[in-house]
Amino acid sequence: AQTVTQSQPEMSVQEAETVTLSCTYDTSESNYYLFWYKQPPSRQMILVIRQEAYKQQNATENRFSVNFQKAAKSFSLKISDSQLGDTAMYFCAFRSQGAQKLVFGQGTRLTINP
Amino acid sequence: DAGVIQSPRHEVTEMGQEVTLRCKPISGHDYLFWYRQTMMRGLELLIYFNNNVPIDDSGMPEDRFSAKMPNASFSTLKIQPSEPRDSAVYFCASRRGTAVTANTGELFFGEGSRLTVL
Repeated sequence: AQTVTQSQPEMSVQEAETVTLSCTYDTSESNYYLFWYKQPPSRQMILVIRQEAYKQQNATENRFSVNFQKAAKSFSLKISDSQLGDTAMYFCAFRSQGAQKLVFGQGTRLTINP
Repeated sequence: DAGVIQSPRHEVTEMGQEVTLRCKPISGHDYLFWYRQTMMRGLELLIYFNNNVPIDDSGMPEDRFSAKMPNASFSTLKIQPSEPRDSAVYFCASRRGTAVTANTGELFFGEGSRLTVL
């Protein structure tokens, strides 16, 4: 079974700094999808960024980018110019190509301080 | 378009009572998922449906839990009888089938139902 590990339970940075959240996963498959979801205090899970494993280019969405290392099974999220509104729980998630469900990591609580 | 709609947003009940959580998925989505979130266990998949048919319910904790999807626009998750250990946030999520071109299977979540069983 696939597993997703987020080794940083909590992180805290100052506004405007850059922060990187770590995620590793375990799978024997070659085709899969990876996601980062954000859960603010409002509780709703919001997709931040996604990556297809067959794409070598790292995904980027405005201030959010990933460092996808397929051989190392690593999928880190970088937030540049962090803002107070980035304060939230961040979940890394995995879905193999043939499966239907997302497997989530335990989450990283990120706090952006003014 | 409206997102995934869940109700109630908060529910407080006493042990032994029946609890029903409701979900309206996004129109046109083929898949519906029920997840449970707790501090100890994180996000766990309870059950998912494809075209209203339950496909995998291996995550349902025990017989006290049941889920139905009578039509494409409505699903319920029922707990009977409820216990304090059922206290959690229950999320409903939906998405299109992955046969759609360029669809990575992004899940769209509702705001969750926070259940407290006293």
